[in-house]
Amino acid sequence: QVQLVESGGGVVQPGDSLRLSCAASGFTFSNYGMHWVRQAPGAGLEWVAFVTYDGRNKYYADSVKGRFTMSRDNSKNTLYLQMNSLRAEDTAVYFCAKDYGGNSGWFDPWGQGTLVTVSS
Amino acid sequence: EIVLTQSPATLSLSPGERATLPCRASQSVGRHIAWYQHKPGQAPRLLIYDASNRATGIPARFSGSGSGTDFTLTITSLEPEDFAVYYCQQRSNWPPLTFGGGTKVEIK
Repeated sequence: QVQLVESGGGVVQPGDSLRLSCAASGFTFSNYGMHWVRQAPGAGLEWVAFVTYDGRNKYYADSVKGRFTMSRDNSKNTLYLQMNSLRAEDTAVYFCAKDYGGNSGWFDPWGQGTLVTVSS
Repeated sequence: EIVLTQSPATLSLSPGERATLPCRASQSVGRHIAWYQHKPGQAPRLLIYDASNRATGIPARFSGSGSGTDFTLTITSLEPEDFAVYYCQQRSNWPPLTFGGGTKVEIK
């Protein structure tokens, strides 16, 4: 079955960088666009970024544009999120999610998430 | 950016009761609405997409309706495992993709 496993979360200071990974299995990774979605403590869900199946096109939420970079390695079935200039408001659980139809804008399934805490 | 409003924030219901969860968009999104279920510590789960299509493996007690700006997720008879937070999400003219603030269905 489809499995998505995030890693790389941790505690960092404001201004630091962190790279998240998402290992995918159970489907043809190179055929599907992928998303990152986050949930701050006590808050709802926020879409962060999307990359097309081939990695050529990427889209970002305004809140992370210019600081976060999404990428993928189809040879390794792995998705990445490079987060630079981290702020306290970036503290959240970060989920990777497969695009339901490849480029549909729906998320299914999701990983379990990895926690990023930005604190001095 | 399209804003989705989910109200009330909390619904207190008993097992076996019918749950009706509304979602209102700040402008028309056609039928480009999905619904997700999220339980603490778990991955969110897609329930409904394109306003009324059930995702694979989703029980028939979950249904979605609506178009334009007003949408509804209905759970016909609440099972114990249905108590969770439910989010609507839109994909009209994305990016960005946006979510509503969520409705928590709690046990009364």
